[in-house]
Amino acid sequence: AQSVTQLGSHVSVSEGALVLLRCNYSSSVPPYLFWYVQYPNQGLQLLLKYTTGATLVKGINGFEAEFKKSETSFHLTKPSAHMSDAAEYFCAVSANNAGNMLTFGGGTRLMVKP
Amino acid sequence: GAVVSQHPSRVICKSGTSVKIECRSLDFQATTMFWYRQFPKQSLMLMATSNEGSKATYEQGVEKDKFLINHASLTLSTLTVTSAHPEDSSFYICSARDRQGSGTEAFFGQGTRLTVV
Repeated sequence: AQSVTQLGSHVSVSEGALVLLRCNYSSSVPPYLFWYVQYPNQGLQLLLKYTTGATLVKGINGFEAEFKKSETSFHLTKPSAHMSDAAEYFCAVSANNAGNMLTFGGGTRLMVKP
Repeated sequence: GAVVSQHPSRVICKSGTSVKIECRSLDFQATTMFWYRQFPKQSLMLMATSNEGSKATYEQGVEKDKFLINHASLTLSTLTVTSAHPEDSSFYICSARDRQGSGTEAFFGQGTRLTVV
């Protein structure tokens, strides 16, 4: 069984500030981990994923995430927030690297203040 | 990336009626499509896995007679909510996997907000 917890349903940062969105997971098998972003009235878009290998994963739009097995975490970060980063972010876990049959976290709405 | 189109994006229906939601892969063929639902302030939960030409596989607790899934072609899957009730009001979203790839990602539609009144 797998589960994902995203701490903070809403996060607000100032433009140019560090973005940190937290994600913790539980999985009975080695996890494949994903971050998706959803802009208003659009589908989910894959930001990045961890399958195997390097634990620091770089994605699109300057985002990155680090898989920490000891902490069962996969937090998403971006050094400097842009107004265009305002969206809903979902962390997800899967038992395979194709991203099928995902178990999602509750989502975090990121707000960016000018 | 590949495009998945979901229609309608919003629908309001009366209690007791049925609603059909379409999920189309526009520029690729999808042997497998997935249907999720999301209640307010909750996670997306997998409802069922739909394979082209065969019966859908439903997750535990999902009523297959209430949520009818048809995947008749490699580019279209439909979810019909039958005899809808207010508790079925939710956000429904599909994803599709490209048959050509192995280990490739699944692409998501934009979701359908269903409100049953």
